[in-house]
Amino acid sequence: AQKVTQAQTEISVVEKEDVTLDCVYETRDTTYYLFWYKQPPSGELVFLIRRNSFDEQNEISGRYSWNFQKSTSSFNFTITASQVVDSAVYFCALSGLIIQGAQKLVFGQGTRLTINP
Amino acid sequence: KAGVTQTPRYLIKTRGQQVTLSCSPISGHRSVSWYQQTPGQGLQFLFEYFSETQRNKGNFPGRFSGRQFSNSRSEMNVSTLELGDSALYLCASSLEGAKNIQYFGAGTRLSVL
Repeated sequence: AQKVTQAQTEISVVEKEDVTLDCVYETRDTTYYLFWYKQPPSGELVFLIRRNSFDEQNEISGRYSWNFQKSTSSFNFTITASQVVDSAVYFCALSGLIIQGAQKLVFGQGTRLTINP
Repeated sequence: KAGVTQTPRYLIKTRGQQVTLSCSPISGHRSVSWYQQTPGQGLQFLFEYFSETQRNKGNFPGRFSGRQFSNSRSEMNVSTLELGDSALYLCASSLEGAKNIQYFGAGTRLSVL
C-alpha cells in the first residue's frame, strides 16, 4: 500500500524566515510520482511541483526548492525568505503506476503553514 | 484556458437526502477524479473516470457514485446522506496517466444537517 506522512501538523514562523516542510512516503512501486500542492483558504488545491522516481535532482523555483532523496523516501519542500502570502496548507502526494493509466493520488495529512508579519 | 469548474460551491442538505455535484474539466482533459476532504480523514480518493468509464475506486460505500459524460464532464452523487458526509468535495482533471498532473477545482462544500 502507498502512504504519505507529513509529520508536521502546523508550523508558524515570522516573515523572511526559511521553513522546511517534511514529507516521507512509502511505496512498493519502482516507478512513481511525487507532488506538492498548496491549499489557500479558498480551498482550491494549487499544483506546485511533480517529481518522478528516477529523477533525484533537486529543483529550485524562485523562493521554493525541493529535495528528493530515495534513500530516505523523503521529498521535502523549503520556502526561503517566507512571505505572508505563503500561508496555506501544503500537501505532499504520491501517485503510482496503475494499470490502464488510471489516476489516484495518495495525500499526506497536510502541514498548515502560518507566516506572521 | 479555463480551469476546473465545480458547481455548486456550497450545499446544505439534511440527513437522508441525496445530492449531485458537478465538475467540468479543463478542455482536453479526459480523466476526472473526485476526492473527499474532511478534518478527520484528510484528502481521500473517491473514484476516477476516463472516457465515461470508472477506472479506479476508493474505499467508500456504494452510496457514493459517479458518472462521466461524452464531453468529459462528470457528476458525483451521494444518496441517503449521513452527517459524516459533510466535507469539501474536490474534483480534479488531467491527461491520461499516473505521471500527469491533476488540476483541481475550488470544490463543493457540503454540509449535512
